[in-house]
Amino acid sequence: ETGVTQTPRHLVMGMTNKKSLKCEQHLGHNAMYWYKQSAKKPLELMFVYSLEERVENNSVPSRFSPECPNSSHLFLHLHTLQPEDSALYLCASSQRPGLAGGDTGELFFGEGSRLTVL
Amino acid sequence: GNSVTQMEGPVTLSEEAFLTINCTYTATGYPSLFWYVQYPGEGLQLLLKATKADDKGSNKGFEATYRKETTSFHLEKGSVQVSDSAVYFCALSDLQGAQKLVFGQGTRLTINP
Repeated sequence: ETGVTQTPRHLVMGMTNKKSLKCEQHLGHNAMYWYKQSAKKPLELMFVYSLEERVENNSVPSRFSPECPNSSHLFLHLHTLQPEDSALYLCASSQRPGLAGGDTGELFFGEGSRLTVL
Repeated sequence: GNSVTQMEGPVTLSEEAFLTINCTYTATGYPSLFWYVQYPGEGLQLLLKATKADDKGSNKGFEATYRKETTSFHLEKGSVQVSDSAVYFCALSDLQGAQKLVFGQGTRLTINP
């Protein structure tokens, strides 16, 4: 496998269910991201992990709980979601620059997990 | 804060037409600029990028030039194909604090044969 892979590709859940989205990157990167893509809205950054530490949390409701056990894996745990949480959830990875800099900030995306909350 | 504004879509063109999708940005410092493309049912893929003023990014016949004086990064292609139908996102790298991309709202492009 190469690149960034996300599972499942499609998920339907009720508002009382608990489920998780998984992301795995095979690029040797040290930063991972969750973005939310809803219809007719810009891409929304949810969480950023750098070296397995959460470095950004964009006021995301607590019903979304990220987990980054190592630099290659990222999870998004879902609990008690609302219908308006239905969206495409995109995972991405990048190589954050070291002290010497030199990185352009490019992100590599997975194909996304399409979530429908009934 | 940093932000990106793209021309609103949807855009519909005939095959072999000339394409321009406008993108302007607001940023502190000197961000890198990107165009990403999202084909139906897929995630985002990098189309091209430019890392400093006056750089031109190019790929698959698409081009964009980093214009610092007009804070723009317009996407152009001289002759579009049906296979170019997709959603195009302009983005800048926000290197303040957590490294991340700030995206425009996306422009849906449809090319008719």
